Amino acid sequence: SAVISQKPSRDICQRGTSLTIQCQVDSQVTMMFWYRQQPGQSLTLIATANQGSEATYESGFVIDKFPISRPNLTFSTLTVSNMSPEDSSIYLCSATDRSFGNTIYFGEGSWLTVV
Amino acid sequence: RKEVEQDPGPFNVPEGATVAFNCTYSNSASQSFFWYRQDCRKEPKLLMSVYSSGNEDGRFTAQLNRASQYISLLIRDSKLSDSATYLCVVNISLPVGQAGTALIFGKGTTLSVSS
Repeated sequence: SAVISQKPSRDICQRGTSLTIQCQVDSQVTMMFWYRQQPGQSLTLIATANQGSEATYESGFVIDKFPISRPNLTFSTLTVSNMSPEDSSIYLCSATDRSFGNTIYFGEGSWLTVV
Repeated sequence: RKEVEQDPGPFNVPEGATVAFNCTYSNSASQSFFWYRQDCRKEPKLLMSVYSSGNEDGRFTAQLNRASQYISLLIRDSKLSDSATYLCVVNISLPVGQAGTALIFGKGTTLSVSS
């Protein structure tokens, strides 16, 4: 299994600003992902964070709005840029590895409110 | 067509009841299947994997029908602590050119068990 730590755990931000969320895994993992969960909705995959290369974004998400870094096998960041109230959501980091048997583990989430 | 569809719910049942959740998925190349549980304002946590042969973990039984692309979760003798949202999750291969897999989540079915 893996222990995934995210920070900040919650934040209230002004519209137009940007926020970077950090995700730290306690072991090296092959895959890291970023999800968004808007109020009352299920999880939506934003992108796969690729170590040493650009992230792979899902339809509806772009790098300019959600730049992602993954400098090594245990760490990733997601930035929410030029925020608007519609970006208010929970942002969840997740990770998996072959050694986990395809099970994905999640961080506790970062609760973002944009005012 | 949505990739993973679940019973809309909510399910409101008394303690001791048996309740069944259903889920269908659209991607026939899906590799693995899970049920996750999400408590209010918490991250999703793996409840159980789902195997073609069916599998049981205490009061929980999961079944997979690949031919029908259908997954189910049965909870027997419901407890108050079972109240949560249950997410049907499918692991799919990422498109050609992208490494690895990604989890696709259903919208979840909310269960409320009352005394």
